[in-house]
Amino acid sequence: EIQMTQSPSSLSASVGDRVTISCRASQSIYNSLNWFQQKPGKAPNLLIYGASNLHSGVPSRFSGSGSGTDFTLTISGLQPEDFASYHCQQTYKTPYTFGQGTKLEIK
Amino acid sequence: QVHLVQSGAEVTKPGASVKVSCKASGYTFTNYYIHWVRQAPGQGLEWMGLINTRGGDTFYARRFQGRVTMTRDTSTTTVYMELRTLRYDDTAVYYCVRVYDDGEPIKRFDAWGQGTLVTVSS
Repeated sequence: EIQMTQSPSSLSASVGDRVTISCRASQSIYNSLNWFQQKPGKAPNLLIYGASNLHSGVPSRFSGSGSGTDFTLTISGLQPEDFASYHCQQTYKTPYTFGQGTKLEIK
Repeated sequence: QVHLVQSGAEVTKPGASVKVSCKASGYTFTNYYIHWVRQAPGQGLEWMGLINTRGGDTFYARRFQGRVTMTRDTSTTTVYMELRTLRYDDTAVYYCVRVYDDGEPIKRFDAWGQGTLVTVSS
């Protein structure tokens, strides 16, 4: 089973900031990585697929990068609605494992 | 518009079974797989398995094999997930997710049900 490790587990930032969240796979997953945003009490929403492809309707301030084992989600110019939890997921090999999540809070 | 609408919350006892439904609409049902993902309270997301809605074949995560069954009814565009021999740590929100699968490793989990809370309590 491929282990996915996200860092940090929590993060405080201000509106307008640029933040990065990291995700590391225990083996190469090439570019088979999704990023999701989840708000309390709601289902996750797909932000990025294939490590760097912006899902339809997602604002361009979200971007993803990386390949192999190391990946990054960047939010440029935080908006109030971006304070939420973020999850990475590998789809290279079943079981399609997730990171433990990163909670982004307002400073 | 794509919708996945799940059945309502359930409270069950240890050792019992639960069956959650997921009704799909707004797209061609058999063109997409349905995956199931769960989230225990305050915890991360856990992938459980998938069903090919066209052929009905399934694949389950090893830790659920023998306890979970996923089925589909193409006439009603509904997928079902049954989990048996429930334990306290099966308490979680269960989500169905639409996924386009062309055999490539990049898979878009692009539409989620609203979630079904299953509580296992004596």
